[in-house]
Amino acid sequence: NAGVTQTPKFRVLKTGQSMTLLCAQDMNHEYMYWYRQDPGMGLRLIHYSVGEGTTAKGEVPDGYNVSRLKKQNFLLGLESAAPSQTSVYFCASSYAGTQNTEAFFGQGTRLTVV
Amino acid sequence: GEDVEQSLFLSVREGDSSVINCTYTDSSSTYLYWYKQEPGAGLQLLTYIFSNMDMKQDQRLTVLLNKKDKHLSLRIADTQTGDSAIYFCAETDHHRDDKIIFGKGTRLHILP
Repeated sequence: NAGVTQTPKFRVLKTGQSMTLLCAQDMNHEYMYWYRQDPGMGLRLIHYSVGEGTTAKGEVPDGYNVSRLKKQNFLLGLESAAPSQTSVYFCASSYAGTQNTEAFFGQGTRLTVV
Repeated sequence: GEDVEQSLFLSVREGDSSVINCTYTDSSSTYLYWYKQEPGAGLQLLTYIFSNMDMKQDQRLTVLLNKKDKHLSLRIADTQTGDSAIYFCAETDHHRDDKIIFGKGTRLHILP
């Protein structure tokens, strides 16, 4: 059981380049999230999705776009990367509903924009 | 809007108890959680408490919930070097949208 898988694990981009981070989960979770983690700033929510075909903005959505075309996948796109987007990105997923909504996290993607 | 606050750093001597505190604003939170993040890894659920409880104990971990003050704490007894990590407080509100709201994390540093 793979859980939550993020690809790639590491990436270096030049300013202005674009890229897509892929998150895949095999637990049939409705909710999926993208976070960034920076020293001294903690975990900040970028975008999230409450189900296939839906997305919503989080705390720091500017400069990012997302898509949830399939329930198991949540893509995070950077159209024109900036050095301020250098960070570690985490994807997570969880069930919805009136049950314990434990979030399962991927191992992270370390992105450097030069 | 909903918010979860916690201090960013805590230093504790090995063998002492660690107490990590968290405050939240959503009075209708359903579940409150503690997650642990070890270096180079993602977050993993450590323990959770349902909002109608005020205490939960699991081996060296004790979670205390004060609903009146919207205060959650995690006590780690006999702190070990392996407890060195970042601890995140989180909450969900099933009456809202089940979205999980995380605090910014408390880095626990163990002193020899």
